[in-house]
Amino acid sequence: NAGVTQTPKFQVLKTGQSMTLQCAQDMNHEYMSWYRQDPGMGLRLIHYSVGAGITDQGEVPNGYNVSRSTTEDFPLRLLSAAPSQTSVYFCASSSLGRPNSPLHFGNGTRLTVT
Amino acid sequence: GNSVTQMEGPVTLSEEAFLTINCTYTATGYPSLFWYVQYPGEGLQLLLKATKADDKGSNKGFEATYRKETTSFHLEKGSVQVSDSAVYFCALSSNYGGATNKLIFGTGTLLAVQP
Repeated sequence: NAGVTQTPKFQVLKTGQSMTLQCAQDMNHEYMSWYRQDPGMGLRLIHYSVGAGITDQGEVPNGYNVSRSTTEDFPLRLLSAAPSQTSVYFCASSSLGRPNSPLHFGNGTRLTVT
Repeated sequence: GNSVTQMEGPVTLSEEAFLTINCTYTATGYPSLFWYVQYPGEGLQLLLKATKADDKGSNKGFEATYRKETTSFHLEKGSVQVSDSAVYFCALSSNYGGATNKLIFGTGTLLAVQP
């Protein structure tokens, strides 16, 4: 009963480094998304996908890339990390088969960029 | 555009006190409304939802009513417990692009319940 699994839980990067945040779900959900959570700003949508091979931008996409080669996986790439990307990142998935299906969230990745 | 405004925290209550966390929204069309809860160190979990005006969502003693006339979805609980200490997020579905799963979240309200 894994649900949405995110790795790593914690990461420290230096400015300019790149890395990939991993997200996998085992519920056969079509919809997957990435949010960042910052104090006083709630959660903001970075990118989302409605199925394998389909991705689109959310509210704050700059500095992040995504791809969706399988239904299960939706990695988030930081190509050149900046201190402004210090945040907690959440991956979430849901079914598109039922209207207003709830989002299922992973436990988050806490990223610090120095 | 669509947005959600919720009361700032932290909200500090004694056990068995009455809880209200205010949430108002701005949206075009007919959004669905949600409350999510985040316990320390965890991701968000759906607490309750309402999909049309005058609907009341309820779960674990919490309830919220979708009030279209006041564009509100306030969260209430009659008697809080220490285990209710968490961050609560109000959210609405954004139907643009045809993907109703895209949620817009408020900033979150931290609730601390003292024994």
